[in-house]
Amino acid sequence: TQLLEQSPQFLSIQEGENLTVYCNSSSVFSSLQWYRQEPGEGPVLLVTVVTGGEVKKLKRLTFQFGDARKDSSLHITAAQPGDTGLYLCAGARGGNEKLTFGTGTRLTIIP
Amino acid sequence: KAGVTQTPRYLIKTRGQQVTLSCSPISGHRSVSWYQQTPGQGLQFLFEYFSETQRNKGNFPGRFSGRQFSNSRSEMNVSTLELGDSALYLCASSLQGRRFGSYNEQFFGPGTRLTVL
Repeated sequence: TQLLEQSPQFLSIQEGENLTVYCNSSSVFSSLQWYRQEPGEGPVLLVTVVTGGEVKKLKRLTFQFGDARKDSSLHITAAQPGDTGLYLCAGARGGNEKLTFGTGTRLTIIP
Repeated sequence: KAGVTQTPRYLIKTRGQQVTLSCSPISGHRSVSWYQQTPGQGLQFLFEYFSETQRNKGNFPGRFSGRQFSNSRSEMNVSTLELGDSALYLCASSLQGRRFGSYNEQFFGPGTRLTVL
């Protein structure tokens, strides 16, 4: 059973468009992270959110943690080819719980 | 500060063989986690070591094992390789042990691409 479901699984859009990626679960997480992974490399941490309702911005990327801490979204404004990659959300349930990764969203930005 | 390093980067083995992968965490990081990444299953947790002790374990068979040394470097071993073990094996390190309510910020290495023929 996959605890974290991401949607869409694949997304291909034109440069300059906006997009939103979703990460949903029926479980509550104490924190949630977003990573971006490029081919041949390991995932790189983008952001960590820990408070329900929290919104964090990283340049053109906006991350939101749901009020109930069961879901999160990543919004990209004016997408650029450099945003291309596999986006992964990952949740932790506190204490010594392991990090659980989502199913991933493969994003392609077309110049 | 140097990032997480993994060796080797690429490896080709045949069924039945065994393999050892190595991971050097970021200096000062005491926790090392291992993950298997495949197109079908995504990123799956193998195990985590902290101060030379296995603290968490995922749902993988006993053919997958690991250890951590006193300098926090870690190795992962897979015995009796199967075709399905072909994957990208990722190592991630984090600063210290987790306490209730804290979050686990991990830094990943580039991975070892294992191909089993």
